[in-house]
Amino acid sequence: QVQLVQSGAEVKKPGASVKVSCKASGYTFTGYYMHWVRQAPGQGLEWMGWINPNSGGTNYAQKFQGWVTMTRDTSISTAYMELSRLRSDDTAVYYCARDIAAAGNTYDYWGQGTLVTVSS
Amino acid sequence: QSALTQPPSASGSPGQSVTISCTGTSSDVGGYNYVSWYQQHPGKAPKLMIYEVSKRPSGVPDRFSGSKSGNTASLTVSGLQAEDEADYYCSSYAGSNGVFGTGTKVTVL
Repeated sequence: QVQLVQSGAEVKKPGASVKVSCKASGYTFTGYYMHWVRQAPGQGLEWMGWINPNSGGTNYAQKFQGWVTMTRDTSISTAYMELSRLRSDDTAVYYCARDIAAAGNTYDYWGQGTLVTVSS
Repeated sequence: QSALTQPPSASGSPGQSVTISCTGTSSDVGGYNYVSWYQQHPGKAPKLMIYEVSKRPSGVPDRFSGSKSGNTASLTVSGLQAEDEADYYCSSYAGSNGVFGTGTKVTVL
């Protein structure tokens, strides 16, 4: 069965970076785009961008351009999302989500979420 | 890319129907048939309920249905059940980008 398993919760200081992993299993990792979505406490969902695991190509939301980096390691079927220059308002749960529509933004499987807390 | 507009809340008694709207622009909802809907219970990851405007994934009850007219998509939950109480978000393709709705909390009275 398809599973996306994310890395554990992180606590970071303002200005630091965080790298969240998302290990895929149960399907061909390179066959589906992977998106990253975040949700601040008590707030809605925010789309961050996607990576094409086959080519490594990426597309980031304009808001995150210059401070998010999405990568993948096909040998271990894992996608990564790194956010730099963290601020307190980056405190959120970060999700990876598989896209069944080749970047058509249709997410059929989600990771369990990774809570990133930014605090001094 | 601005968030799609949803009503903050909706409610209905068990057995009744509730409809949630999702309003965007011709650059997202109105321009493509990649509108999807997600259900999220507290502390859980979102779950895909409707995709490509009106298609239901395997395992989603047929009480859930979707439609679209112009720049507005809608999700209808018929025969409301207690377990339908959750937050619901729409999502749309927006020309290589993605955008979510503001979210609607559905309460089963």
